[in-house]
Amino acid sequence: AQKITQTQPGMFVQEKEAVTLDCTYDTSDQSYGLFWYKQPSSGEMIFLIYQGSYDEQNATEGRYSLNFQKARKSANLVISASQLGDSAMYFCAMRGYGGSQGNLIFGKGTKLSVKP
Amino acid sequence: NAGVTQTPKFRILKIGQSMTLQCAQDMNHNYMYWYRQDPGMGLKLIYYSVGAGITDKGEVPNGYNVSRSTTEDFPLRLELAAPSQTSVYFCASSFDRGTYEQYFGPGTRLTVT
Repeated sequence: AQKITQTQPGMFVQEKEAVTLDCTYDTSDQSYGLFWYKQPSSGEMIFLIYQGSYDEQNATEGRYSLNFQKARKSANLVISASQLGDSAMYFCAMRGYGGSQGNLIFGKGTKLSVKP
Repeated sequence: NAGVTQTPKFRILKIGQSMTLQCAQDMNHNYMYWYRQDPGMGLKLIYYSVGAGITDKGEVPNGYNVSRSTTEDFPLRLELAAPSQTSVYFCASSFDRGTYEQYFGPGTRLTVT
């Protein structure tokens, strides 16, 4: 069975500083993908970044980067130079490409608050 | 493009009533999904579809039904609403089930009392 674990229910960060949101996963699939989504207070789900299990380089998208450590089964999101607009819920998700049928499994999320 | 649209945005149902949550996408995506998000939790997959006429159960399908008669539309039917179905419902679509991200609608907040 697949599982996503986000151990930080809430995080605080000072504006302009970097922050790391933790995500660990468990899967029996050899091939899988890892995603991060942002959910602001308005409720919509916004895709941030994707990492494939066979990608050798860590994914980056602007101020977002994914610190992928395959042996440790972790896929932490790093936000550099935090902005007030980064305050939101952040969800880590995984899709397996083997026997798991490829459905997206979400963690419980981390609430990030950026302080001015 | 409007992306993924959902109606209604809010709804209050009485126990035992039925309703249909509408979802449409204009991106010509084959794959569509319905999720529910309970307070303080991540999203859980209810049903998904890989194309018109093809649907399958996700993690939490009990109490729901879906149909997919066109590529664009993927309605979710709640029969005999129960308080346990109080949740926020998200519809999503994607180009495929591989590396492409899922695009989400704005959500429907449903309360069953």
